[in-house]
Amino acid sequence: GQSLEQPSEVTAVEGAIVQINCTYQTSGFYGLSWYQQHDGGAPTFLSYNALDGLEETGRFSSFLSRSDSYGYLLLQELQMKDSASYFCAVASSGGSYIPTFGRGTSLIVHP
Amino acid sequence: GAGVSQSPSNKVTEKGKDVELRCDPISGHTALYWYRQSLGQGLEFLIYFQGNSAPDKSGLPSDRFSAERTGGSVSTLTIQRTQQEDSAVYLCASSPRTGGNSYNEQFFGPGTRLTVL
Repeated sequence: GQSLEQPSEVTAVEGAIVQINCTYQTSGFYGLSWYQQHDGGAPTFLSYNALDGLEETGRFSSFLSRSDSYGYLLLQELQMKDSASYFCAVASSGGSYIPTFGRGTSLIVHP
Repeated sequence: GAGVSQSPSNKVTEKGKDVELRCDPISGHTALYWYRQSLGQGLEFLIYFQGNSAPDKSGLPSDRFSAERTGGSVSTLTIQRTQQEDSAVYLCASSPRTGGNSYNEQFFGPGTRLTVL
């Protein structure tokens, strides 16, 4: 099976940098994705890492270390609108490529 | 349309009734997923379609749940004899990719909030 661990809640202030970690256990790792979900909204895709290293997209970056079964989402220059839940998701290559989502990290940005 | 649409946006039903939830994926997207999300929880996978076929139905919680997809487009999730524990937001997502990469970037609809009284 697959399992993911991420913190349930992270708080930070506007303008700061925050890192949301995700550790996973899976057979046949295929890549790690990150999604953002605002209260009452649908999840929106943020990033995807298949290889080790850092992927940068504007204020958001995502990192993967396959040897450590670990990744993180880095949010810079935090804004109030970044307050949301962030989910990591991983799928294995052992069958139907069905993603398993973590339980989500609630990010609260304070002024 | 520009994005994934779902209907109805809200559904309140009585225990024991059947409900149908609809998903219109982005045109041309071959992969379609159904998830369930309870309040404050993560996404629970239900079923995955590649075209009209469902290679993986392992997430369906019971035989009261079924889904179909026709014409490689619209999908319907049916819950028979609804129970209170079925109350949740049901999300649909589609992806333009095929095979193993289809999960990498999914586009989600706004969801259907189902309340079973």
